[in-house]
Amino acid sequence: AQSVTQLDSHVSVSEGTPVLLRCNYSSSYSPSLFWYVQHPNKGLQLLLKYTSAATLVKGINGFEAEFKKSETSFHLTKPSAHMSDAAEYFCVVSNSGYALNFGKGTSLLVTP
Amino acid sequence: DTGVSQDPRHKITKRGQNVTFRCDPISEHNRLYWYRQTLGQGPEFLTYFQNEAQLEKSRLLSDRFSAERPKGSFSTLEIQRTEQGDSAMYLCASSHRGLGNEQFFGPGTRLTVL
Repeated sequence: AQSVTQLDSHVSVSEGTPVLLRCNYSSSYSPSLFWYVQHPNKGLQLLLKYTSAATLVKGINGFEAEFKKSETSFHLTKPSAHMSDAAEYFCVVSNSGYALNFGKGTSLLVTP
Repeated sequence: DTGVSQDPRHKITKRGQNVTFRCDPISEHNRLYWYRQTLGQGPEFLTYFQNEAQLEKSRLLSDRFSAERPKGSFSTLEIQRTEQGDSAMYLCASSHRGLGNEQFFGPGTRLTVL
């Protein structure tokens, strides 16, 4: 079985401060892991993906995530939040090569 | 616009009616996926096609649901005898197996069953 747990349903940060969105995964095999972002009234967009090539993965818009097998974690970070980062973020795992298993999401609020 | 498109964007129907949604994938993407997202939850996988073949169906896809991709291009998802529990956002995604298989999502069809 494969699943992800997003540890925070809501995260609030001030503009210009670091962002940390936490995700733990459960997988019987070497997983593919992803972070997707969903802005209101827009489609899901891939931020970054891990497929075993490198444990530190850089994505779009300054986001990055580190795969830690010993901790079964794949946390998403960004050094400095921007107002436009406010959105819903999903941690995703896939073993099958087709079905994506999404977490419940973390809503990121960025305050001025 | 060369992204994934879905039609309609919104659908309101009465319980017991049938509804059909359409998804047009990115041109030449050979894989197409359907997901369902309810309020406050992440999307859940329903089914996927490689070309015109439906290769996998989730147990979430009850007998009232049917999906087709007749010519390996656009796809339709039909729900028969809709129930209030079918109210959700239905998302379509497409990918190309030979190009990293990244799934690109459409904007979704929001279904409300009264």
